[in-house]
Amino acid sequence: DVKVTQSSRYLVKRTGEKVFLECVQDMDHENMFWYRQDPGLGLRLIYFSYDVKMKEKGDIPEGYSVSREKKERFSLILESASTNQTSMYLCASSLSTVQETQYFGPGTRLLVL
Amino acid sequence: GENVEQHPSTLSVQEGDSAVIKCTYSDSASNYFPWYKQELGKRPQLIIDIRSNVGEKKDQRIAVTLNKTAKHFSLHITETQPEDSAVYFCAAPKNGGSYIPTFGRGTSLIVHP
Repeated sequence: DVKVTQSSRYLVKRTGEKVFLECVQDMDHENMFWYRQDPGLGLRLIYFSYDVKMKEKGDIPEGYSVSREKKERFSLILESASTNQTSMYLCASSLSTVQETQYFGPGTRLLVL
Repeated sequence: GENVEQHPSTLSVQEGDSAVIKCTYSDSASNYFPWYKQELGKRPQLIIDIRSNVGEKKDQRIAVTLNKTAKHFSLHITETQPEDSAVYFCAAPKNGGSYIPTFGRGTSLIVHP
């Protein structure tokens, strides 16, 4: 069974703080993704990675960066958190470029005050 | 890139009724169409998917139909039960045969006992 975990379920941060969200998958998946989920807007792709040290911008990368130093771990970084980054953040992984099924983590609900 | 429209945004049915959620996509090269279910407070999980070489796929009470000419696909749930209450997301490849999905905005299904 694929397992995708995220470092925190809930986070409260102050405006301007640097925030790290971590995601780990244990199935040797090549691809990893970060989404934010907001009511009425669905799942919007922030960044994705198809290999170690590789990253690609998604639809809403502004204000975010990512890091993938190891295959199993994909980190999302908010360099200077702002209130409009208050959201649910979901990590996902998929096996390869020919296996499209996404396996999601439990999500991190981030509140920026 | 792909544009995925999902309707309705909310759907309320009585237990035992059928529910239908429809998605349209824009890229005729798209070839993989998954549906994810997200129960309250939980992660999205794949419930059924269809590839462009078939027109319908069934799994017990759920089915997905695909109309490539009209570029739309639908999720059908028969004999709905209260545990079917959730948010359902459709997706299509971001670019043609890409492994990166573009998600619809979601449909909140409420099944009244």
